[in-house]
Amino acid sequence: GDSVTQMEGPVTLSEEAFLTINCTYTATGYPSLFWYVQYPGEGLQLLLKATKADDKGSNKGFEATYRKETTSFHLEKGSVQVSDSAVYFCALGGGGYQKVTFGIGTKLQVIP
Amino acid sequence: EPEVTQTPSHQVTQMGQEVILRCVPISNHLYFYWYRQILGQKVEFLVSFYNNEISEKSEIFDDQFSVERPDGSNFTLKIRSTKLEDSAMYFCASSGGTGGSYNSPLHFGNGTRLTVT
Repeated sequence: GDSVTQMEGPVTLSEEAFLTINCTYTATGYPSLFWYVQYPGEGLQLLLKATKADDKGSNKGFEATYRKETTSFHLEKGSVQVSDSAVYFCALGGGGYQKVTFGIGTKLQVIP
Repeated sequence: EPEVTQTPSHQVTQMGQEVILRCVPISNHLYFYWYRQILGQKVEFLVSFYNNEISEKSEIFDDQFSVERPDGSNFTLKIRSTKLEDSAMYFCASSGGTGGSYNSPLHFGNGTRLTVT
């Protein structure tokens, strides 16, 4: 079945450091790929998405590129802020309105 | 921006009791989901619902669980006889508004934290 593997945290970075959170997936067909973010005490918010190979999703300074050849969707940000501290979930959807499968989540802590 | 709302935010119940978790999806959405997240663990799919019936369910969604859309706005998850291991955060989500794209993402509520004692 479909699955998502992402690096386990926690990841601790200083403010303005470069962030990479690795994510790889296994799926049949051509899924859509997502990054969701969960701030403390809140629900899951869509951060960005990509629906086909070589698409780049971006939002709030975060980027991720759908790499079909390496089955990856790594999340990057050039300069993190304290307010980026949250749990980040990589996820894939089977297309259409099918369920979304989540990775385990990576906790990011940014210190001043 | 429209939101998915869930009530209550926190529910405490005794083992063996029935609980109903409530959700109001985004009004023009057509697809509804329940997920759960046991503390510190991954977000797990429970069930999806479309056109007044379950379209997919996971192994977790056994006979103790049921879902219902009793009216045009609410979407509920019922656990008939709660167990300690049902303690988790339960998230409702919706997607697929009229005119929405084929790859419409899921919109999540803030969750209901269920504590079974």
